[in-house]
Amino acid sequence: SQQGEEDPQALSIQEGENATMNCSYKTSINNLQWYRQNSGRGLVHLILIRSNEREKHSGRLRVTLDTSKKSSSLLITASRAADTASYFCATRDFGNEKLTFGTGTRLTIIP
Amino acid sequence: DGGITQSPKYLFRKEGQNVTLSCEQNLNHDAMYWYRQDPGQGLRLIYYSQIVNDFQKGDIAEGYSVSREKKESFPLTVTSAQKNPTAFYLCASRTTVPTDIQYFGAGTRLSVL
Repeated sequence: SQQGEEDPQALSIQEGENATMNCSYKTSINNLQWYRQNSGRGLVHLILIRSNEREKHSGRLRVTLDTSKKSSSLLITASRAADTASYFCATRDFGNEKLTFGTGTRLTIIP
Repeated sequence: DGGITQSPKYLFRKEGQNVTLSCEQNLNHDAMYWYRQDPGQGLRLIYYSQIVNDFQKGDIAEGYSVSREKKESFPLTVTSAQKNPTAFYLCASRTTVPTDIQYFGAGTRLSVL
């Protein structure tokens, strides 16, 4: 079953602008992860944030987690054409070996 | 796509035919996963395996079967019982400790003739 719901479903911005996408989930989680998928390819892990963390950075990526609202956001700063891809959040519940993926946000960077 | 190899890249199935998708990893990971992705959708878990000779059903296991005879290999068979097999299939692996990151193959696109 799909737990994560990304918002928006699609986003187009100019190169150099910041892109923000959101993820909501329903259960108590151990961690939340963000993955990128280029068209027709496999997923690539971007960043993991644990349930006891509120914010995490990796290069141009910033992830926040609000467990009280059961939501996370992914910010990509100074976007580049190469950032064009679909972005998925995935959650892992405590005591569960499975990741549950959201439906994804399709990001298009306009040169 | 890391050290996970999926083959073939494209596969066509005839009516009533079983087909097998290959997934091999050289990352020495314990756990392996199979996902199905339909157009514009997220990933749905078909089967997963945490150790050799053991596997569990995911959310949409009906019409699929797997085996895990070697740590490196986790093939997926799409049987004739799967009436709507057209999709993009992704294999992943992960270590159980200390990280919780899944590494994905490049995928197999299965179509019905």
